[in-house]
Amino acid sequence: GDSVTQMEGPVTLSEEACLTINCTYTATGYPSLFWYVQYPGEGLQLLLKATKADDKGSNKGFEATYRKETTSFHLEKGSVQVSDSAVYFCALRGSSGNTPLVFGKGTRLSVIA
Amino acid sequence: DTGVSQNPRHKITKRGQNVTFRCDPISEHNRLYWYRQTLGQGPEFLTYFQNEAQLEKSRLLSDRFSAERPKGSFSTLEIQRTEQGDSAMYLCASSQEGRHTEAFFGQGTRLTVV
Repeated sequence: GDSVTQMEGPVTLSEEACLTINCTYTATGYPSLFWYVQYPGEGLQLLLKATKADDKGSNKGFEATYRKETTSFHLEKGSVQVSDSAVYFCALRGSSGNTPLVFGKGTRLSVIA
Repeated sequence: DTGVSQNPRHKITKRGQNVTFRCDPISEHNRLYWYRQTLGQGPEFLTYFQNEAQLEKSRLLSDRFSAERPKGSFSTLEIQRTEQGDSAMYLCASSQEGRHTEAFFGQGTRLTVV
């Protein structure tokens, strides 16, 4: 079945450092891909998404590009802030659209001043 | 509409008791999902509804779990004869129909079985 694999955390960075969180997936066809973020004490919220190959999703300075050839959707940010400290989840929805989101295990990011 | 609402936010129960959680989705969303999340893990799918029809159930959903969405609006998740292994965060999400649509999550109900 469909699955998502994320790099394990925790990841600790200094403010203004570059961030990459790796995400690869296994799915048939062309799934839709998502990054969700969970800030401390809050619910999951959508950060960005991409729905077809070579699409780039972006939001709040974060970007991720849907790479079909490497089945990847890595999350990147050029300069992280303390407020970016959270848990980040990569997820996919299968090609049919009739399946629920499948999530990775999450990567905890801590940004220190 | 203020988003997906879940009640209660926290529930502590003794092993063997039954518990019921409620989820109120975003009103125009016809799909509703239940997930379970344990510490250090991503959300694991339990079941989902399209309107009032329960379309899919995960193997994680044992016979002690039942979910309903009687009028295609709010949903309830009941756990009978709770066990310590049921302790987790139970998340509800809703979405429009469609392969590109994201799901909107509630803040979850944290269940502790003692």
